[in-house]
Amino acid sequence: AQSVTQLDSQVPVFEEAPVELRCNYSSSVSVYLFWYVQYPNQGLQLLLKYLSGSTLVKGINGFEAEFNKSQTSFHLRKPSVHISDTAEYFCAVSDQGSSASKIIFGSGTRLSIRP
Amino acid sequence: ETGVTQTPRHLVMGMTNKKSLKCEQHLGHNAMYWYKQSAKKPLELMFVYSLEERVENNSVPSRFSPECPNSSHLFLHLHTLQPEDSALYLCASSPDAKSENTIYFGEGSWLTVV
Repeated sequence: AQSVTQLDSQVPVFEEAPVELRCNYSSSVSVYLFWYVQYPNQGLQLLLKYLSGSTLVKGINGFEAEFNKSQTSFHLRKPSVHISDTAEYFCAVSDQGSSASKIIFGSGTRLSIRP
Repeated sequence: ETGVTQTPRHLVMGMTNKKSLKCEQHLGHNAMYWYKQSAKKPLELMFVYSLEERVENNSVPSRFSPECPNSSHLFLHLHTLQPEDSALYLCASSPDAKSENTIYFGEGSWLTVV
């Protein structure tokens, strides 16, 4: 993979509203796609990943993402957010068959939830 | 007990000091990593170890020196650092170094260089 772009550095939403965090990538080969979440003062943890098969991937905490190969996107969605979803979200991409050292992380999107 | 444990959580050091960051994983993984996380920058991979052998060194200055004595432990030795090295240093592990694996991160060590 050559790059991954998270289009929004910050996304403010009201509690119980839906949210979409955008991620686009570029690569000349098939890829694996990941979303990680970082809660305040913690390390990153995996939300979900796409390896193959169904393009709609469901993850933890009610999040899901859809792989769109033609648009080279892997946007993250949640139909109704909670205060506890306040965190930074990172999209990541790696080439299939490569090493984990080749994983590229985006710059992150900070999700802030307003009551 | 968390899967990947890092100590210390916070470290303040002078530019002439020598210190070390420690990481331990309790997941039985064979690959371990050091990442640097700076504000408003993507995660930067510094080093990768697979089965205790260094397999990746991403042009990291020699003032950072990794050590992997066994598959459960990883150190990052620090000496004569610069203020721009202040950042969150994240240790991570995965079952092996294949790209489809989930990477498990520790909570990080906040480093401030004064």
